Formats: sequence, C-alpha cells, structure tokens
Amino acid sequence: DGGITQSPKYLFRKEGQNVTLSCEQNLNHDAMYWYRQDPGQGLRLIYYSQIVNDFQKGDIAEGYSVSREKKESFPLTVTSAQKNPTAFYLCASSIGDRYYEQYFGPGTRLTVT
Amino acid sequence: AQSVTQLGSHVSVSEGALVLLRCNYSSSVPPYLFWYVQYPNQGLQLLLKYTTGATLVKGINGFEAEFKKSETSFHLTKPSAHMSDAAEYFCAVLPSGNMLTFGGGTRLMVKP
Repeated sequence: DGGITQSPKYLFRKEGQNVTLSCEQNLNHDAMYWYRQDPGQGLRLIYYSQIVNDFQKGDIAEGYSVSREKKESFPLTVTSAQKNPTAFYLCASSIGDRYYEQYFGPGTRLTVT
Repeated sequence: AQSVTQLGSHVSVSEGALVLLRCNYSSSVPPYLFWYVQYPNQGLQLLLKYTTGATLVKGINGFEAEFKKSETSFHLTKPSAHMSDAAEYFCAVLPSGNMLTFGGGTRLMVKP
C-alpha cells in the first residue's frame, strides 16, 4: 500500500538534545512538507521541499533543520535552539504541481522535558 | 498575506442534527479552498476542495461546502451528524503561491 510513514509515533527527549523525526513516502511524490500542530493554532509550515536536494523555509523554520537526499525521505531535526519543541509534527507530500492536494502521515508527538 | 478564520474552536451537535462549521478567508483573489478532517492522533485527510466551477462542492462522508465569494466564506455542512463525525476539522486556502494556509481548527463533538 502506498502512503506516508512517520516514526516513531511518540518521542520523548530531554531539553538540550537534538532529535530527528523520520518521514518516508512511497507515493513517488516530488514535494514533501513538515508542519507543526499546536492546540488552537492549526498547522504551521516548518519546511518544504519540491525536489531532491532542495528545500525552503516555511513560516516557523527557526530551530529546525531538514535534508532531502532521497525522493522518498524528508527527515526533520528539532535542534536545541527550538524554544518550544513539544508539539505534534505532521509530514505531508504531494505530486509535483498539485501542492494543494497533500497527503499526510500519521504524525509524531514530541515531548521535551 | 492570506488568513483563514474558523469561527468556534469547539462545536457540539446532537446525533442526527445539522453540522455547520464556519470558515472565512481573506483574499483579494479567490483562492483554492479545502476542508480537512483529523481524527485523534492521526494525520489530516482531505474532505473536499474547491478550485473552479460549481460553488457547491460535495466531499466524502456526506459533507459538502459552498464557496460564497461575496461573503469570502467556505462553510462546511452535513445534514445529519453521526457519532463517527467527531473529529477536528481544518479549513485551508491556497493563494496564488503554492503553500496551504490553515485555519485554527474546529473540534466537532457529537452527542448521542
């Protein structure tokens, strides 16, 4: 079955540690996205990538980093510079020119204490 | 900049009652419009979308939405709520750029 996989579903880290969230898709989509979801704030775009080896900052990129070395993978690193990292993180992908039709993964809930 | 406002962060209806979730957007040019649904601890699923053409759009699970340009609205409705409709619903717009802008979400609760 085609889809988007995010792992792990729940992640716990100590403050000051970097952590990498995984996102893999087998839909052969060109574009991939990372969103952060906080209660009452909807989804906010962190980074997106329209093609391998290229990515752009979204609205809230500070404290995050990404890479896109393979078409099917778009890992997100939450660095120690991110002031409020505890959130629900969603990865999505879309066919190259259909950015409006995004397919979402199940999400990773990150808790930093 | 585009913005999306969803009136009411929580909406409660009885099973069998009409569901109405409100969405207004700010744009000088009609954007593409979307409704997504999110069940607890899951990703988002596209319910329906408006791009061009007929302003009344039908989606999955019996939901529909009507684009009203004069009111800059795209409210989501369902004639009869079912317990399985309990979820969070997000309105989103796609302006002239290529990135979706989401509203804050509305949590729908369905009472038996």
